[in-house]
Amino acid sequence: LAKTTQPISMDSYEGQEVNITCSHNNIATNDYITWYQQFPSQGPRFIIQGYKTKVTNEVASLFIPADRKSSTLSLPRVSLSDTAVYYCLVGDNYGGSQGNLIFGKGTKLSVKP
Amino acid sequence: GAVVSQHPSRVICKSGTSVKIECRSLDFQATTMFWYRQFPKQSLMLMATSNEGSKATYEQGVEKDKFLINHASLTLSTLTVTSAHPEDSSFYICSNTGGNTEAFFGQGTRLTVV
Repeated sequence: LAKTTQPISMDSYEGQEVNITCSHNNIATNDYITWYQQFPSQGPRFIIQGYKTKVTNEVASLFIPADRKSSTLSLPRVSLSDTAVYYCLVGDNYGGSQGNLIFGKGTKLSVKP
Repeated sequence: GAVVSQHPSRVICKSGTSVKIECRSLDFQATTMFWYRQFPKQSLMLMATSNEGSKATYEQGVEKDKFLINHASLTLSTLTVTSAHPEDSSFYICSNTGGNTEAFFGQGTRLTVV
C-alpha cells in the first residue's frame, strides 16, 4: 500500500475554505484516493473518493493532479463542526487493500470562531 | 449505506476480567469485518481481520489468544479482550466493506481497565 504524508495539524476560521494536501508518491495504477473524517470518540466516516482529476460531492471536493502523486481535500466554508481529524488513504476501492485500511497520522483540523 | 452498530460504546472493567465487544452489520451481510485499536492522540491500527465461518487473521504483534474474535454469522463479529490489563485500555473500532467505495465503521468502544 502506498504511504501517505499529510500535515499533522491545520487551523482555520469559520467560513473559510480549507485545503488539506496529501502526498502519495508511490501510488499504484489501481489505487484510489479516499478521505475519511473522524470526530473524537467516534469511528471514521467516509468523505470522498477519487481516482483522477476532480470529484465533488455535497460536503467536499477532491483535486487530483495528472501524476496522482498527491491529492487535495477541499472543504468549502468550514464551520466549528468540521473540527476533526482527516485521513487520506490510498488503496483499492475502499481506500485500503481488500477492505483493511492502513491509517496514517491524519491531519487534525481545528476550526475557530 | 451499510450501517455498522458497535456495542457497548463504553465499558469499564477490572484488571484480569474479560470484555466482549459486539459489531453488527445491520443491513449488509459481511463475510469480512475488521477490528482496529486506537490509543489517545494516535491513529487507528488494524488488529485483525474477522472472517465469517473461519479463523480470524491477526496483524503482527497482536496476540490471538488475548484478543479472541468470533464471526459466527454474516451480521455479527465479536472481539473479546481476555484477562484485560490497564495497557489494554483503548478505543476499539470495527468496520466492514459495505460496498465498492467506502468502509463503514462502528461507533467505537472505549475500554477502560482499572
